[in-house]
Amino acid sequence: NAGVTQTPKFQVLKTGQSMTLQCAQDMNHNSMYWYRQDPGMGLRLIYYSASEGTTDKGEVPNGYNVSRLNKREFSLRLESAAPSQTSVYFCASGKDLIVYNEQFFGPGTRLTVL
Amino acid sequence: SQKIEQNSEALNIQEGKTATLTCNYTNYSPAYLQWYRQDPGRGPVFLLLIRENEKEKRKERLKVTFDTTLKQSLFHITASQPADSATYLCALSSGTYKYIFGTGTRLKVLA
Repeated sequence: NAGVTQTPKFQVLKTGQSMTLQCAQDMNHNSMYWYRQDPGMGLRLIYYSASEGTTDKGEVPNGYNVSRLNKREFSLRLESAAPSQTSVYFCASGKDLIVYNEQFFGPGTRLTVL
Repeated sequence: SQKIEQNSEALNIQEGKTATLTCNYTNYSPAYLQWYRQDPGRGPVFLLLIRENEKEKRKERLKVTFDTTLKQSLFHITASQPADSATYLCALSSGTYKYIFGTGTRLKVLA
C-alpha cells in the first residue's frame, strides 16, 4: 500500500498562474482533507470531503477549489495563485469523518508563488 | 480566540533520558487530543489519541497525559533514542472531526 500520495512534490508558480495539486489514497478511506502548513503556524484546514461527492470549506478556503473525483482522489486547485499561497500543502485521509479517527498524511507539496 | 501553544524552541536531551513535551491551550475546551510526529520534508504521522475523560494513555515508550484543569497535555518519550528526533505536533478537537494543530516542538536526542 502506498498510503496517501501527492503530486507534484515541488512547484514554482508566477502570480496569477493556476495549478492543480493531486492527491490519492489506496486505503479505502471515506474522508479526505487538504491542509496548508506555514512557518510559525499550525496545520490549517483548507477543504475537506466526508465522502465521495461531497466537499466542504475548512478554516482557510479562500483562493482554493477542490474536487472529490472518486473515493480515491481529492484534488486542490489554485485558480489564480498569489504569493500568500506559498506554503507546504498536505493531503490527508481518514477512515470516516469522526473525531477519534487518525488522519494519514501524504508527503506534501512545497509550493512557491513568485 | 482559541490558542494552542507548543514550545517553539527545540528540546535537546541525552539518549536514554525521558523527553517531555508540552501542549498548552487557552479559550478552548477540547474533548479529544492527538499527538503526531513529523520528520523534515514529510507529512505528520499519528501517534496517540486521548479523550478528555482519560487522564493518561500509553503506547510502548510513549505516554500522554491530558489535564483539563491545567489546560495542558504532556507527551513523554521514555528511554529516548536518536531515532526519536523529530517535530511533535499536538492537535485538539472540541468533539468534531475538525482538529486545530499546534506549531510543534522540535526534539533532538543526542547520542
